[in-house]
Amino acid sequence: SYVLTQPPSVSVAPGKTARITCGGNNIGSKSVHWYQQKPGQAPVLVIYYDSDRPSGIPERFSGSNSGNTATLTISRVEAGDEADYYCQVWDSSSDHSVFGTGTKVTVL
Amino acid sequence: EVQLVESGGGLVQPGGSLRLSCAASGFTFSSYSMNWVRQAPGKGLEWVSYISSSSSTIYYADSVKGRFTISRDNAKNSLYLQMNSLRDEDTAVYYCARDRNSGYAVDYWGQGTLVTVSS
Repeated sequence: SYVLTQPPSVSVAPGKTARITCGGNNIGSKSVHWYQQKPGQAPVLVIYYDSDRPSGIPERFSGSNSGNTATLTISRVEAGDEADYYCQVWDSSSDHSVFGTGTKVTVL
Repeated sequence: EVQLVESGGGLVQPGGSLRLSCAASGFTFSSYSMNWVRQAPGKGLEWVSYISSSSSTIYYADSVKGRFTISRDNAKNSLYLQMNSLRDEDTAVYYCARDRNSGYAVDYWGQGTLVTVSS
């Protein structure tokens, strides 16, 4: 089965840039979606199709995808960005949706 | 406003059954594929099942295949998950989630309903 690997945690100072990676075999050939989940809340879609932002998501959130790694970048990090972040793809070989292991972003 | 409201969670013994429901509003339910996604306490997200808008296409995670059944009633704007032969490891918050109908991204989530499997 297809596996997506994320770092367990990322720490960043306010105003700086956070980069969260999502590793998978030839993930660059797939569409990657990213979700933000705050404690006690349902996830929120922040990036779809590698780099598109849903309406209402700040421009500070951006994404890229190439080779074996997709990346979610949060620029000018704010305290309110502290959350868990998950990547997700559709694995057409198994007809399964796959979520990454999740990354906890801590704002110092 | 899109709303997804799950119900039907609760405490059930191992080997038991439970039926989850999701009431959808604020959009044309019959035009969208839907998913169930779960999250065990303190753990990450796990996709459970997918159903297309017309119910013609259904997929399951390996961990639930043969035990869970997804269905929908477009006339009632409702999504269901019938869970049989429940195991301890099925304990989780279950989310009803709308598919964006493109790329299999989920663009709206319910608040979730907790299922606890324990004796």
